[in-house]
Amino acid sequence: KAGVTQTPRYLIKTRGQQVTLSCSPISGHRSVSWYQQTPGQGLQFLFEYFSETQRNKGNFPGRFSGRQFSNSRSEMNVSTLELGDSALYLCASSLRGTSGSSGELFFGEGSRLTVL
Amino acid sequence: QKEVEQDPGPLSVPEGAIVSLNCTYSNSAFQYFMWYRQYSRKGPELLMYTYSSGNKEDGRFTAQVDKSSKYISLFIRDSQPSDSATYLCGRAAGNKLTFGGGTRVLVKP
Repeated sequence: KAGVTQTPRYLIKTRGQQVTLSCSPISGHRSVSWYQQTPGQGLQFLFEYFSETQRNKGNFPGRFSGRQFSNSRSEMNVSTLELGDSALYLCASSLRGTSGSSGELFFGEGSRLTVL
Repeated sequence: QKEVEQDPGPLSVPEGAIVSLNCTYSNSAFQYFMWYRQYSRKGPELLMYTYSSGNKEDGRFTAQVDKSSKYISLFIRDSQPSDSATYLCGRAAGNKLTFGGGTRVLVKP
């Protein structure tokens, strides 16, 4: 069974640009969550999607957005990039939606974003 | 105060030793607590989760939650060099996980 696939794995952008990251969950998983990982702040929750609807949102500015498609694939977008957005962005999928979940998430290997 | 606090390490132990990892949390409202392992340049993978208080054992790994003292612990018996990784503790509110900063563990042959 294929794991969570994230693309691209590495990318470099400049301040002010925008970026779109893609995530394909494990087959059959309908919940997709996004996390940001930095050395200073650690692993932080961005948002969760289930059945194409955002179910939960972390404490990030509106420049961070996402969506989920009918096939459960998800994208996240960061607009007007800042230097502090440099991070590893991790996507995680789960069989259950948030209300029935014990927090068992399957993470991808991440997209490493560098903002210059 | 962060919701979940964890010593960043690194924690260096000889092969075969017991690795003991601890976290503290501040919010008692949550029921599920978990440990994830993250190898360098990889995504985290779930090791174990426990519901409420008590112990859970899986092979060489034992997880404990003490709700009275708000402590989460992970013990790794007979540690191997392949256990060298960063270990993240966390608590779950559905699929929204709040993690500690992670403890880097080095198991030396």
